[in-house]
Amino acid sequence: GQQLNQSPQSMFIQEGEDVSMNCTSSSIFNTWLWYKQDPGEGPVLLIALYKAGELTSNGRLTAQFGITRKDSFLNISASIPSDVGIYFCAGQLSLNTNAGKSTFGDGTTLTVKP
Amino acid sequence: GAGVSQSPRYKVAKRGQDVALRCDPISGHVSLFWYQQALGQGPEFLTYFQNEAQLDKSGLPSDRFFAERPEGSVSTLKIQRTQQEDSAVYLCASGPRGAYEQYFGPGTRLTVT
Repeated sequence: GQQLNQSPQSMFIQEGEDVSMNCTSSSIFNTWLWYKQDPGEGPVLLIALYKAGELTSNGRLTAQFGITRKDSFLNISASIPSDVGIYFCAGQLSLNTNAGKSTFGDGTTLTVKP
Repeated sequence: GAGVSQSPRYKVAKRGQDVALRCDPISGHVSLFWYQQALGQGPEFLTYFQNEAQLDKSGLPSDRFFAERPEGSVSTLKIQRTQQEDSAVYLCASGPRGAYEQYFGPGTRLTVT
């Protein structure tokens, strides 16, 4: 089946630093999504990307949909302590009978040192 | 408004017991998904409903897993004769029709002893 390779697996950074993480797939996706998950909670959607090459920002977050449709990256600028958590990428094929079925990566755990 | 709620939040079952996990989606959301999240991994798709119709159950790991959404709102994931490998967090998500958006509940952590 489809697999998403997410890297790095974990990151330890100083407050104020920028962060970059990425996700690659062996298969094409039509939508890329980035989520953040805090302990004991479900994932929360951060950014959604719909078109190859698309670059989208949400505050300090910027994500891009790779032109091959097989990869995506997420950047966080000027990190703050509340950015701590696990970041997941997810891909979706299309909006039909399998609408919204997402394939997730295994996450990047971010630790921010004050 | 209220988000997706799941109950119980924690469930401990002895191997061989049956369990039922409940999901209350956001009111009016057509789509409902169940995911299984093992420790240290991302969520894995189990099944998908559009209203009361189960359109995709390809992710259910065995015939011990059964999901229903009889009135197109609340959904129940049932696991029969639980095994230790069923220990995981079970996440429910709901979304509006035709949208990529999925709003996740907090999950039910199932531990099978």
